Amino acid sequence: AQKITQTQPGMFVQEKEAVTLDCTYDTSDPSYGLFWYKQPSSGEMIFLIYQGSYDQQNATEGRYSLNFQKARKSANLVISASQLGDSAMYFCAMRVTGGSYIPTFGRGTSLIVHP
Amino acid sequence: NAGVTQTPKFRVLKTGQSMTLLCAQDMNHEYMYWYRQDPGMGLRLIHYSVGEGTTAKGEVPDGYNVSRLKKQNFLLGLESAAPSQTSVYFCASSYDARGGYTDTQYFGPGTRLTVL
Repeated sequence: AQKITQTQPGMFVQEKEAVTLDCTYDTSDPSYGLFWYKQPSSGEMIFLIYQGSYDQQNATEGRYSLNFQKARKSANLVISASQLGDSAMYFCAMRVTGGSYIPTFGRGTSLIVHP
Repeated sequence: NAGVTQTPKFRVLKTGQSMTLLCAQDMNHEYMYWYRQDPGMGLRLIHYSVGEGTTAKGEVPDGYNVSRLKKQNFLLGLESAAPSQTSVYFCASSYDARGGYTDTQYFGPGTRLTVL
């Protein structure tokens, strides 16, 4: 079975600083994808970034980057130059590309950006 | 291009009543999912579908049924609502076979359901 662990229930960061949100995962399948989603207070789920298990380089999307450490089974999200609009819940998720195809989500990290 | 839409946005039911939540996507996605989100629990998969006419159970399927008669629609039914089904329900879709394989799920705006 797959598992996603987000150990930080809440994080605080000063505006314009960088912040890292932790995510560790557990799977025995060699082929999988890792995702981060943002959920602002308005409730919608917004896709941020994707990393495939065979990707050689860490994924980046604008101010978001995914620090993928395969041996440690971690997929931390790094947000550079935080903005007030980054305040939200952040969810890490995984889906193996073989087998049951059922995605697994972590319980989320609440990020608050202070001015 | 509306993406993923959900109907209704809000609903209040009494225990024992039934209802159907509709999810529609216009991205030609093969896969569709229904999740529920409860405080502190993240997203939990209820049912999913990997193509028209197919459905499968997720992590928490009890008390729910689904149907995917058309590729673009995925219906979630509650036959006899219970207070434990008070939650926010999200639909998601993924995988356009024409565009190559991608796992990325795109979510609808959610339906807030309260069962009294």
